[in-house]
Amino acid sequence: DAGVIQSPRHEVTEMGQEVTLRCKPISGHNSLFWYRQTMMRGLELLIYFNNNVPIDDSGMPEDRFSAKMPNASFSTLKIQPSEPRDSAVYFCASRAGTSDYNEQFFGPGTRLTVL
Amino acid sequence: SQQGEEDPQALSIQEGENATMNCSYKTSINNLQWYRQNSGRGLVHLILIRSNEREKHSGRLRVTLDTSKKSSSLLITASRAADTASYFCATDDGGAQKLVFGQGTRLTINP
Repeated sequence: DAGVIQSPRHEVTEMGQEVTLRCKPISGHNSLFWYRQTMMRGLELLIYFNNNVPIDDSGMPEDRFSAKMPNASFSTLKIQPSEPRDSAVYFCASRAGTSDYNEQFFGPGTRLTVL
Repeated sequence: SQQGEEDPQALSIQEGENATMNCSYKTSINNLQWYRQNSGRGLVHLILIRSNEREKHSGRLRVTLDTSKKSSSLLITASRAADTASYFCATDDGGAQKLVFGQGTRLTINP
């Protein structure tokens, strides 16, 4: 199994541009999570899906952020317009089942730099 | 909301020594998990301990849980250079289906 796949691995963009991050979860996993990691705030949960349905988006910082999961094998996190304070590493993770007793499998992350 | 808080924030020891990291949390939990993150990589699950368990072992890892004190510890025995990483505890945030991660302990093993 290839694990959780994220693309791109690195993204450098200018303020005001739209950014789209992509994630392919492990096949058969039912839950998908988007996290953001910074030195100042640590690892923050942005949103998570169970069976492609958004369950909790309370961590999404503002309306500039949106996430979709059109099917079980693909999710996107979009930032429009991007700002320098959005610079961070964004991780996608997936989990088999919807129970929190199951471990989460993390992708390698996308390092986003907004100039 | 910050649920788990790790202590110390950074730890540097010699190879072969044991490393102990602590985690405190605030609300009732169903389980507590420990993850490792190597520099520039995603997190990797190490071990899960349920709220009705007090101790769990996995290879060189030993985890304890004290629900009365709302704390957990991770012990790595006979440390190796490859154990250099950041270690995070994560709790289920009072039964929700999501995890809340602490700020992590940065562990450095010196050869």
